[in-house]
Amino acid sequence: DAGVIQSPRHEVTEMGQEVTLRCKPISGHNSLFWYRQTMMRGLELLIYFNNNVPIDDSGMPEDRFSAKMPNASFSTLKIQPSEPRDSAVYFCASSWTGAKNTGELFFGEGSRLTVL
Amino acid sequence: EDKVVQSPLSLVVHEGDTVTLNCSYEVTNFRSLLWYKQEKKAPTFLFMLTSSGIEKKSGRLSSILDKKELFSILNITATQTGDSAVYLCAPLNKGAGNMLTFGGGTRLMVKP
Repeated sequence: DAGVIQSPRHEVTEMGQEVTLRCKPISGHNSLFWYRQTMMRGLELLIYFNNNVPIDDSGMPEDRFSAKMPNASFSTLKIQPSEPRDSAVYFCASSWTGAKNTGELFFGEGSRLTVL
Repeated sequence: EDKVVQSPLSLVVHEGDTVTLNCSYEVTNFRSLLWYKQEKKAPTFLFMLTSSGIEKKSGRLSSILDKKELFSILNITATQTGDSAVYLCAPLNKGAGNMLTFGGGTRLMVKP
């Protein structure tokens, strides 16, 4: 199993630019999560999809952030326009919430974003 | 709003020491509590605890849950330098899918 795949691994951009982060969940998983991690705030949940539908986006910081899941094997997190305070590691995680659900999330390696 | 507090924030020990990490939580409709280990990259799963008083073990790591007092502990015996990491706990609510709210973590450093 390839695990959760995220791209890019590192992104350095300038303030005001658009940033798109990508995620391919584990095949067969029906839930997908975007988290953001910083030293100050720890690991924060941004948005949660179940069966490609956004269920909880209360963690999305503001309108500059948007996330989509057009199909079961792909999701994007977009920041437009980006700001220096968006600098963080963004993790995507997937999970199975059907029968015999263990509750475990499987994380990708993360995308480290630096906004100058 | 769910609350998760981990203590201590950080800990420095020497190889061979035993450590106890704490996690207290307040959630509206508790289902289970998960522990993760995060080294330099992604968090990796350690344990899921659902019932009080039943210890889960994996090698030198063990964990137990107290649903009455709303806390869990993670013990690591005979620590090794490879145990150096951030340890995260996350309670899981019923009916919330697998949406985890993570604590701030305990940063453990094990010196040779």
